[in-house]
Amino acid sequence: AIRMTQSPSSFSSSTGDRVTITCRASQDVTYYLAWYQQKPGTAPKLLVYAASTLQDGVPSRFSGSGSGTEFTLTIDNLQSEDFATYYCQQYYFNPPTFGGGTKVEIK
Amino acid sequence: QVQLVESGGGVVQPGGSLRLSCAASGFTFSHYGMHWVRQAPGNGLEWVAVISYDGNNKYYADSVKGRVSISRDDPKDTLFLQMNNLRPEDTAVYYCAKSGLNWGSSEWYFDVWGRGTLVSVSS
Repeated sequence: AIRMTQSPSSFSSSTGDRVTITCRASQDVTYYLAWYQQKPGTAPKLLVYAASTLQDGVPSRFSGSGSGTEFTLTIDNLQSEDFATYYCQQYYFNPPTFGGGTKVEIK
Repeated sequence: QVQLVESGGGVVQPGGSLRLSCAASGFTFSHYGMHWVRQAPGNGLEWVAVISYDGNNKYYADSVKGRVSISRDDPKDTLFLQMNNLRPEDTAVYYCAKSGLNWGSSEWYFDVWGRGTLVSVSS
């Protein structure tokens, strides 16, 4: 199975900051990459698919980029509701696989 | 409002069985492939199984292959996961998730998730 590696695994940041999360795939997944946000005790929420397409209703401060094996999720002007864990997921190969998650905490 | 509601979780002994259900509403259930994704306590996400929109194709993670079976009842807008010979490592919250694209698309990202149902395997 394709291995998805996220970095960092966690970090602290302040509201208003610009944050970037990286996801690397063990093989080329072209642009078949999604990002999810998960808050404690709740289900994941789709933010981005096809590497850079924002899901309906997701604030424009979120953006995704990359292709092949390296991808990034950027959050501009971090808001209090953005403190959560973020997962990437490839869906080019079967089985679909997720990264280990990046926890964004309040500084 | 698009919604998925899981049920059927609980505590079961190793070797036991459970049948999870997922009731869908707010979209044309029969047009979409449906998935189960699980999350062990404090851990990340693991895809478990998928069934195509027409029920003709099913795929499973290696970790559950031969022990679980995914099925659907389109007239009742319901997805199922039959889990047999359960192991302690199957302990997780099980989420039902909808494919982001309809019909036979193999682009398996998940645009709608249920709240999950907890399966605990312990003696």
